[in-house]
Amino acid sequence: DTGVSQNPRHKITKRGQNVTFRCDPISEHNRLYWYRQTLGQGPEFLTYFQNEAQLEKSRLLSDRFSAERPKGSFSTLEIQRTEQGDSAMYLCASSRITDTQYFGPGTRLTVL
Amino acid sequence: QKEVEQDPGPLSVPEGAIVSLNCTYSNSAFQYFMWYRQYSRKGPELLMYTYSSGNKEDGRFTAQVDKSSKYISLFIRDSQPSDSATYLCAFNAGGTSYGKLTFGQGTILTVHP
Repeated sequence: DTGVSQNPRHKITKRGQNVTFRCDPISEHNRLYWYRQTLGQGPEFLTYFQNEAQLEKSRLLSDRFSAERPKGSFSTLEIQRTEQGDSAMYLCASSRITDTQYFGPGTRLTVL
Repeated sequence: QKEVEQDPGPLSVPEGAIVSLNCTYSNSAFQYFMWYRQYSRKGPELLMYTYSSGNKEDGRFTAQVDKSSKYISLFIRDSQPSDSATYLCAFNAGGTSYGKLTFGQGTILTVHP
């Protein structure tokens, strides 16, 4: 069990560019979650998958955000036309169904 | 009204002190109660998990839940410098919303040697 991994760990981009983050969950975890955390705040739920199916999306997930989990293993989160307000830590977590969530180290995004 | 209120601190205590961290919540649907610890520039790690009112103890940590008052607490005994971190309370409603955790703002704790 190597834990949840996220890549890249840091991403600096210019406003208007597209960015994509990857999350590899703990093997055999059916569920995968994405959260966003800004400085001085707790994580805010964005979306989660059970296997390939995206089961819930937050209103925070605007049309510029899209998440996929094509084979029920790793997941990607893409942000199109980034804005300075998108600067945050993007956290991924995974779990077995009805089990607690284990978090990865996060991807820190800075939009200039 | 926010669903979860948590005093952001910061809280600074000497080594060996007893620390009390608290959260209040307004959503009666919350059934599962958690405390996470987050070190700087790391992801949150689960400390305590409970689903019933009362106390749950694990080593130096005790989680307390009072559903009638919508109040949860985390107590840390014999605090150590390694306990210095941000502590996040988290809640889950279960059922169809089982996947979504709602977090407090986090309390920054520093334990001085």
